[in-house]
Amino acid sequence: EVQLVESGGGLVQPGGSLRLSCAASGFTFSSYSMNWVRQAPGKGLEWVSYISSRSDTIYYADSVKGRFTIFRDNGKNSLYLQMNSLRVEDTAVYYCAIGYCSGGTCYPGHWGQGTLVTVSS
Amino acid sequence: DIQMTQSPSTLSASVGDRVTITCRASQSISSWLAWYQQKPGKAPKVLIYKASSLESGVPSRFSGSGSGAEFTLTISSLQPDDFATYYCQQYNSYRWTFGQGTKVEIK
Repeated sequence: EVQLVESGGGLVQPGGSLRLSCAASGFTFSSYSMNWVRQAPGKGLEWVSYISSRSDTIYYADSVKGRFTIFRDNGKNSLYLQMNSLRVEDTAVYYCAIGYCSGGTCYPGHWGQGTLVTVSS
Repeated sequence: DIQMTQSPSTLSASVGDRVTITCRASQSISSWLAWYQQKPGKAPKVLIYKASSLESGVPSRFSGSGSGAEFTLTISSLQPDDFATYYCQQYNSYRWTFGQGTKVEIK
């Protein structure tokens, strides 16, 4: 069974840092691209970042570029999101999602349960 | 970025009703569109990918259609478990974008 388990969320002050983790199991993690998607309380879904299976391609949403860093450790079947210079508007549930790909493009075919990040003073 | 617009934002329906949700893209996305169902406090669950392909395990009462810039999600006979929020999502670009969501409520 495919499983994605996020952790690392919590309360942090504006300007602070947090590292999220996503532990993957039930599939060959090293063969799949991965993404982070977030959802502010009561709001819709926003894509945050993408990393290819071998970490050779990385993309970020403009809203987090220069502040967030995505990386992965295929040996540990884990995905990470290092979040620096956090802002109140970064408050959200953060989901990791597997990219299911065909025809050169991918959709989020499976999601973790999410971890809540709250940025507040 | 490609903008995705869903309608309606809220839909009131009864068990057994046929329900249709529309999603429009700001430019052509071919068939690179997915539909998700989300219940309160839970992660989104994929229903449809590539505009009309049913994800494994999803009931056949769900169907998707469309291509280019206009798409629909249809629930042929609404069941109690289907009351939830539905999102469309384009993946024509690596910059995924989502519709704002359609909440399906009990009438």
